[in-house]
Amino acid sequence: GAGVSQSPRYKVAKRGQDVALRCDPISGHVSLFWYQQALGQGPEFLTYFQNEAQLDKSGLPSDRFFAERPEGSVSTLKIQRTQQEDSAVYLCASSLEVRSGNTIYFGEGSWLTVV
Amino acid sequence: GQQVMQIPQYQHVQEGEDFTTYCNSSTTLSNIQWYKQRPGGHPVFLIQLVKSGEVKKQKRLTFQFGEAKKNSSLHITATQTTDVGTYFCAGLLSGGYQKVTFGTGTKLQVIP
Repeated sequence: GAGVSQSPRYKVAKRGQDVALRCDPISGHVSLFWYQQALGQGPEFLTYFQNEAQLDKSGLPSDRFFAERPEGSVSTLKIQRTQQEDSAVYLCASSLEVRSGNTIYFGEGSWLTVV
Repeated sequence: GQQVMQIPQYQHVQEGEDFTTYCNSSTTLSNIQWYKQRPGGHPVFLIQLVKSGEVKKQKRLTFQFGEAKKNSSLHITATQTTDVGTYFCAGLLSGGYQKVTFGTGTKLQVIP
């Protein structure tokens, strides 16, 4: 497709369960971002990839969160032993180039609810 | 760390009235972007401002970037019900890659 694609769109996980969220960025986009958006809040930065390299993971809230982009295209955000506070929308975004100022395109998000 | 605040948090206006949201950063920005997020949707890029004092217009929307590159505003003239949503500014720091820090957002409700 033409846009950033995320799956699953909706996920209900039991507390303690592991989840994996997938992001298919726009083809050819070098930069890929993951954001977490809690209800009524703005998106919070989690991590950034330039191709397959994870250059910034300063926003990951704990060591239960792990992201990868092994071939520089599709990315997966994994959350281990989910907790209720992990409930949020997880947004993936991509942009064409690394340098500042390029348009960032967001996917529709993966809505995670931990019960 | 960098913080980006927006005011007001919520705004209800009568259709046809004007609306303004203000964005303030604790640090000087390389550039600033504005996004609109409809209820249940994802952020959609609106515009980017780069130069100090820059003003850009998109139909009824006017965007300004402050002289010190630490603040910005979005003004909507004669609001319509289609303007409903949350408006986020997002600041980019100088250098390095494009790490975007989102503001707290202003939720706009337009009463028909």
